[in-house]
Amino acid sequence: GDSVTQMEGPVTLSEEAFLTINCTYTATGYPSLFWYVQYPGEGLQLLLKATKADDKGSNKGFEATYRKETTSFHLEKGSVQVSDSAVYFCALNSDDKIIFGKGTRLHILP
Amino acid sequence: EAQVTQNPRYLITVTGKKLTVTCSQNMNHEYMSWYRQDPGLGLRQIYYSMNVEVTDKGDVPEGYKVSRKEKRNFPLILESPSPNQTSLYFCASSRVGPIAGYTFGSGTRLTVV
Repeated sequence: GDSVTQMEGPVTLSEEAFLTINCTYTATGYPSLFWYVQYPGEGLQLLLKATKADDKGSNKGFEATYRKETTSFHLEKGSVQVSDSAVYFCALNSDDKIIFGKGTRLHILP
Repeated sequence: EAQVTQNPRYLITVTGKKLTVTCSQNMNHEYMSWYRQDPGLGLRQIYYSMNVEVTDKGDVPEGYKVSRKEKRNFPLILESPSPNQTSLYFCASSRVGPIAGYTFGSGTRLTVV
């Protein structure tokens, strides 16, 4: 079945560092891809999405490009802030359902 | 403010005592869903509803019931809670379905002793 694999955390970076969180997927069709973020004590929030190959989703300085050839949707940010500390979930849409990865915890040190 | 509201935020209960977690959205969304989040297992879908009076099982429906009598409300019912239902629960809604992206509630942390 369809699935999402993302790098295990926690990932710890210093403020202003470059961030990459890897995400790869397995799907039989052409799913839409998402990144969600969960701040401490809160529900998940949609961060960005892409609906077809080569689309780039972006929001709040984060970007991810839908790469069909490598079945990947890696999340990047050029300069992280302490306020970016959270858990990040990669997800895909499959048959009217969302399949989530297990999440990557990100710690940003001041 | 557009939001999904869950109540209660925290609940401790005893095995076998029926409980209901309420969920309400004010965005006129068609699609609503319940998830549970457990360490190491991520988010797993319990039930979903594509419209009023239409509900379907997700991946882990055992021990749970739902109803969708009005578009805005989607309560989660545990008829006889057990300790393995101790978890963090999230309600989510979407305008037309998950492909449009979810709006999540703030979560309900349930402990069954």
